[in-house]
Amino acid sequence: IQLTQSPSSLSASVGDRVTISCRASQGISTSLAWYQQKPGEAPKLLIFAASKLQTGVPSRFSGSGSGTDFTLTISSLQPEDFATYYCQQVKSYLYTFGQGTKVEIK
Amino acid sequence: EVQLVESGGGLVKPGGSLRLSCAAPGFSFSGYSMNWVRQAPGKGLEWVSSISSSSSYIYYADSVEGRFTISRDNAKNSLFLQMDSLSVEDTAVYYCTKDDGLKGYFQQWGQGTLVTVSS
Repeated sequence: IQLTQSPSSLSASVGDRVTISCRASQGISTSLAWYQQKPGEAPKLLIFAASKLQTGVPSRFSGSGSGTDFTLTISSLQPEDFATYYCQQVKSYLYTFGQGTKVEIK
Repeated sequence: EVQLVESGGGLVKPGGSLRLSCAAPGFSFSGYSMNWVRQAPGKGLEWVSSISSSSSYIYYADSVEGRFTISRDNAKNSLFLQMDSLSVEDTAVYYCTKDDGLKGYFQQWGQGTLVTVSS
């Protein structure tokens, strides 16, 4: 199962609403996670089951979608949110990640 | 507190072998599936391999099938990755991850260990 994220990168300002898309090559129900990775750090789980917020993750992060189309939304971008975001499917045991979306400061 | 600590990375020549370890104190290790994920320099994340809690189920990415072997020792709370026939394309930071115990989401990640394959 292939995952395609868009855009590959984006520039945004603090306070902006940011949306990242992830499209699966076949239906995966809601078996999708989103991870955040900052430079030099390990990734961190943000969202699982497409829309469930991992414990401790700020409520400005949200996820939606099912089947083949998914979205990660940051409602009001904060300075600590500048990072690279990856989607991951767990429908198939041959797990796959999207190629990543880098969120940069405008 | 869940901790995952990888070790065993380093410099190896093409065709060589390396064995990575992941120490996993702080939780009931034997109750969770575990995984290896890698990230080549400047690139994205690539799932490498998964092993179920009792080692009954093992999966590999096509890119490492036949060359890498995942294993675990539940008595020692440890996860391993034996890497043989290494090529320059295997150069990456290798992360050990713990799944959520239900669906396979990578709930916890180690800090990673760097493997460099170069002549």
